[in-house]
Amino acid sequence: IVMTQSPVTLSVSPGERATLSCRARQSVSSNLAWYQQKPGQAPRLLIYGASTRATGIPARFSGGGSGTEFTLTISSLQSEDFAVYYCQQYNNWPQTFGQGTKVEIK
Amino acid sequence: EVQLVESGGGLVKPGGSLRLSCAASGFTFSSYTMNWVRQAPGKGLEWVSSISSSTSYIYYADSVKGRFTISRDNAKNSLYLQMNSLRAEDTAVYYCAKPGHTVTTLGLSYFDYWGQGTLVTVSS
Repeated sequence: IVMTQSPVTLSVSPGERATLSCRARQSVSSNLAWYQQKPGQAPRLLIYGASTRATGIPARFSGGGSGTEFTLTISSLQSEDFAVYYCQQYNNWPQTFGQGTKVEIK
Repeated sequence: EVQLVESGGGLVKPGGSLRLSCAASGFTFSSYTMNWVRQAPGKGLEWVSSISSSTSYIYYADSVKGRFTISRDNAKNSLYLQMNSLRAEDTAVYYCAKPGHTVTTLGLSYFDYWGQGTLVTVSS
């Protein structure tokens, strides 16, 4: 299943809200995860089951959607949130990732 | 604390071979399907292979099928990836990844822990 993320790059000021989108070509139910990756680091799980925050993830991160349309919202961007974000579907074999959205400082 | 530590990466010529290892600790390794995920330089993430806890089920991405072999040693809490007939397009950081739950279907899962990765460069 092809996962398409938009936008490719999102320029946001600290303290502002950021909304990232992920679209699946066919339904993946709620089997959707979001990851954050900073340069030189491994991906970090943020959200699974489309809307469940992983252990230790701040409440400013929230996920929504089901079927083919999903969103990741960061309510008030902190300096440490500037990174690349990936979505991943694990409903259909093989599990696939989106191409990523880079959140950069405006 | 869950830890996944990969090793074995390096520079290899096209057509060559390399064996990656992942040492796991901090969880019951033998209960989990384990995975390899790779990331080409400047690119996104690509799932490579999964192996079930008892090695009964093994899955490969089409891009590596027939060339890569995944294995594990539950007594040593270790995961391996034997990579043969390497190509330039196999150049990537290879991550060992643990799924978020012990029960998976076809190895499908999100990944709650990742290693730091090991870089494989295929170049003449």
